Amino acid sequence: EAGVAQSPRYKIIEKRQSVAFWCNPISGHATLYWYQQILGQGPKLLIQFQNNGVVDDSQLPKDRFSAERLKGVDSTLKIQPAKLEDSAVYLCASSFQTGPTYEQYFGPGTRLTVT
Amino acid sequence: AQSVAQPEDQVNVAEGNPLTVKCTYSVSGNPYLFWYVQYPNRGLQFLLKYITGDNLVKGSYGFEAEFNKSQTSFHLKKPSALVSDSALYFCAVRDIDDYKLSFGAGTTVTVRA
Repeated sequence: EAGVAQSPRYKIIEKRQSVAFWCNPISGHATLYWYQQILGQGPKLLIQFQNNGVVDDSQLPKDRFSAERLKGVDSTLKIQPAKLEDSAVYLCASSFQTGPTYEQYFGPGTRLTVT
Repeated sequence: AQSVAQPEDQVNVAEGNPLTVKCTYSVSGNPYLFWYVQYPNRGLQFLLKYITGDNLVKGSYGFEAEFNKSQTSFHLKKPSALVSDSALYFCAVRDIDDYKLSFGAGTTVTVRA
C-alpha cells in the first residue's frame, strides 16, 4: 500500500512570495490533515478535511493560508504572502475516517524556508 | 482543551538497556492516546494507540505503552533498546469529543552502542 505522498520535499522562498504544497493521501482515506511543525515543537493542526469538506480550520491563519481538496482526494495548501515565521515543515496526513480511534498516517513533509 | 506534556527533551540510554519515554495528558473526557516516531527527514510513523481495554498496549518494533488513568500518563517503553531506536518520539492525545490530535513537544531518544 502506497503511503501519503507530498511534494515538493524542500522549498526556499523569500518573504512576501507565495508557495503551494501538494498532498496525495492513502487510497481510500476520507480524512486529510495539514499540520505545521516548527523546529523543536510537535505538529500543530492547520486544517482537516472529510472528503472535500472542511471539518476544522480554526487554527489556519486565513489571511495568508488557504487549502482545498476539490475532488476529495488530493489537496493543496497555499501560503500567500509568506512570512519569516512560516518557516517550518508542513506535514500532510490521512486517516480512513475522522473518528478519534483512527490513527493518522503521515507523509514525509515539505520543509519550507522563508528568507 | 486537551494537552500533552513530554517532560524530557532528551533521553539517553545504552543499547540493551530499558527505554522509557514519559508522557502525561490532560483531557476533559476519555482520552485516546497515541505514540508516533519521527526519523530524520521523514514523516511521523504510528507506533501504537490506546483506545480502551487493557492498560498495556503493544505496538510496532517491540514498543509498548502503559495507560495509567489515575496518573494521567501514557509512558512508552521498550525492554531492550537498539541503536536504530534513536529518533524523535511524540505522544499525542485526542478527546472523545474533539477531532484534533494534540501533540507533545517531542522527546529525542539517543541509544549509544
